[in-house]
Amino acid sequence: EPEVTQTPSHQVTQMGQEVILRCVPISNHLYFYWYRQILGQKVEFLVSFYNNEISEKSEIFDDQFSVERPDGSNFTLKIRSTKLEDSAMYFCASSPFGLAGGAQYFGPGTRLTVL
Amino acid sequence: EDKVVQSPLSLVVHEGDTVTLNCSYEVTNFRSLLWYKQEKKAPTFLFMLTSSGIEKKSGRLSSILDKKELFSILNITATQTGDSAIYLCAAVETSGSRLTFGEGTQLTVNP
Repeated sequence: EPEVTQTPSHQVTQMGQEVILRCVPISNHLYFYWYRQILGQKVEFLVSFYNNEISEKSEIFDDQFSVERPDGSNFTLKIRSTKLEDSAMYFCASSPFGLAGGAQYFGPGTRLTVL
Repeated sequence: EDKVVQSPLSLVVHEGDTVTLNCSYEVTNFRSLLWYKQEKKAPTFLFMLTSSGIEKKSGRLSSILDKKELFSILNITATQTGDSAIYLCAAVETSGSRLTFGEGTQLTVNP
């Protein structure tokens, strides 16, 4: 069964450093998402992406964050200058449909630790 | 602001018990409600409910949506230790694609 994959599984970085989290969505899906889950808290939406542009973003997704689909398979989340409060599990998800309401399928996550 | 509330937050049962997990929502322009199971890491999709009163079923799991009372329930019959997980519900609006998640229900099934 096709699945969303994410690399790395765990990333440790120093405050102020840039990190890039990578995701390979399910191959025939058209809509891509990033969510995060701070330890002990709810899963929170960050951004959705369709047709090579951001379709929706949350208040969390400020200028420090960016997303890109550099080729036909990868989808990346970049955090330009990490802060301690960026420490969280970051989930990538993909969906065959967006506004039509298809279910979103999640990857295993990248645990980001900012020291 | 959209809001999803789950109850109970934690539940401990014995194998063979039946459990009911609750999810209520306040979402502007509600479209669908989704249930996920989260074990070690990734939330795994279980059900998506869009229409009121139509039960969705998969093995021992079933779910139903009540759009008048703004809630959904997830039932698990004859629970097994492998059902131990966090169960998440999430709502989505018609005007967007973001999922708004509840806090989750931590289910522990003891042998």
